[in-house]
Amino acid sequence: SQQGEEDPQALSIQEGENATMNCSYKTSINNLQWYRQNSGRGLVHLILIRSNEREKHSGRLRVTLDTSKKSSSLLITASRAADTASYFCATDGPDSNYQLIWGAGTKLIIKP
Amino acid sequence: KAGVTQTPRYLIKTRGQQVTLSCSPISGHRSVSWYQQTPGQGLQFLFEYFSETQRNKGNFPGRFSGRQFSNSRSEMNVSTLELGDSALYLCASSANRGGNSPLHFGNGTRLTVT
Repeated sequence: SQQGEEDPQALSIQEGENATMNCSYKTSINNLQWYRQNSGRGLVHLILIRSNEREKHSGRLRVTLDTSKKSSSLLITASRAADTASYFCATDGPDSNYQLIWGAGTKLIIKP
Repeated sequence: KAGVTQTPRYLIKTRGQQVTLSCSPISGHRSVSWYQQTPGQGLQFLFEYFSETQRNKGNFPGRFSGRQFSNSRSEMNVSTLELGDSALYLCASSANRGGNSPLHFGNGTRLTVT
């Protein structure tokens, strides 16, 4: 079953702008991960945030986690054309038997 | 370190045939998971193998099967292919089970069933 739901489903912005994507989930989690997928390729791991963490950074990426709202956001600052991709969140929890539960993804398009 | 390698990259089969896809994980990774990705259904979990044992299985019919060898390489097999099996099949490896280890994905096998 799909626990994570990304919002929005699609996002189109100008190069240089910031892009924010959200992920909501239904049950308690141990970890939440964000992945990027370029068209027709495999997914690439971006950031892993644990349930006791509130924010993590990696380069131009910032991930926040609000366990009280069961949501996470991924912020990409100063977007580039190469950021055009689909972004997925995945969670695991105490009841998931080590299995990751995936959202449907946000398709991000960066216009030059 | 070499990444996850999936072969073949593309495959065209006809209905009723069977197919075997191969995945070589990153060296030292013992967990291998398989996913089916289609435009309509998104990323669907097929199964996970760890130390040659299937640990988790998604909601797919018995036509979908897999195995893992002692060197952690994995294969998945789909028998009696249907048109709806056309998809990108992704393999991912990780050092440990669960969500505290990032998954490393291969570039997938694009299966087309005609």
